[in-house]
Amino acid sequence: LAKTTQPISMDSYEGQEVNITCSHNNIATNDYITWYQQFPSQGPRFIIQGYKTKVTNEVASLFIPADRKSSTLSLPRVSLSDTAVYYCLVGGYSSASKIIFGSGTRLSIRP
Amino acid sequence: NAGVTQTPKFQVLKTGQSMTLQCAQDMNHEYMSWYRQDPGMGLRLIHYSVGAGITDQGEVPNGYNVSRSTTEDFPLRLLSAAPSQTSVYFCASRSQGSNEKLFFGSGTQLSVL
Repeated sequence: LAKTTQPISMDSYEGQEVNITCSHNNIATNDYITWYQQFPSQGPRFIIQGYKTKVTNEVASLFIPADRKSSTLSLPRVSLSDTAVYYCLVGGYSSASKIIFGSGTRLSIRP
Repeated sequence: NAGVTQTPKFQVLKTGQSMTLQCAQDMNHEYMSWYRQDPGMGLRLIHYSVGAGITDQGEVPNGYNVSRSTTEDFPLRLLSAAPSQTSVYFCASRSQGSNEKLFFGSGTQLSVL
C-alpha cells in the first residue's frame, strides 16, 4: 500500500473552505484515493473516493492532479459539526488487501 | 438494516482476564477487520478476514486471536488482558469488490486495570 502523508492538525473558522492535502508519492497505477471522516467516539465513515481529476459529492470534493502523487480534500463552508479527524487512504483494495489507516488530520472548526 | 454491530459498548477487565469482543454484520460482506484506537491516535489494524475460515494478521496482532466461522460474525478474543490493551476497538466490514468502502461499528471501549 502506498504510504500517505497528511498534516497532523488544521484549524479553521465556520463558513470557510478547508482544504486538506495528502501526499502519496508511491501511488500505484491501480490505486484509488479514499477519504474517511471520524467524529469523536465514533467509527470512521467514508466520505469520498477518486482515481483522477475531480470528484464531488454532497459532502466534499476531491481534487487529484495528473501525476496523482497528491490529493486534496475540499470541504466547502465548514461548520462546527465538521470538526473531526480526516484520514487519507491509498490502495487498490484487492480482495486480500489489508486496509491500513494513518494518523489522519485533526480538523478543528471555531465559531 | 443494522450494519455492523459491536458488543459490548464498554468493558472493564482486570489484568489477566480473558474476554471476547463481538462483531456482527448483516450486509453479507466477505471482508471483516478489527482495529484498535488509542487516545489521540489513528486506527491500527489487528486482524482481518477475507471470508469464512480465512483470517490474517494486521499491524498489531499480538495478544489477540480471531476466528471466522460464519460470514456474519468476526469475534476478537483477548486471552490474557494487559493494561496496554486499554483502547477503543472498532470492527469494520466491506464487500469484496475493489475499492469498496468500509463500514464501521460504533466501537467497544475497553479498560484493563
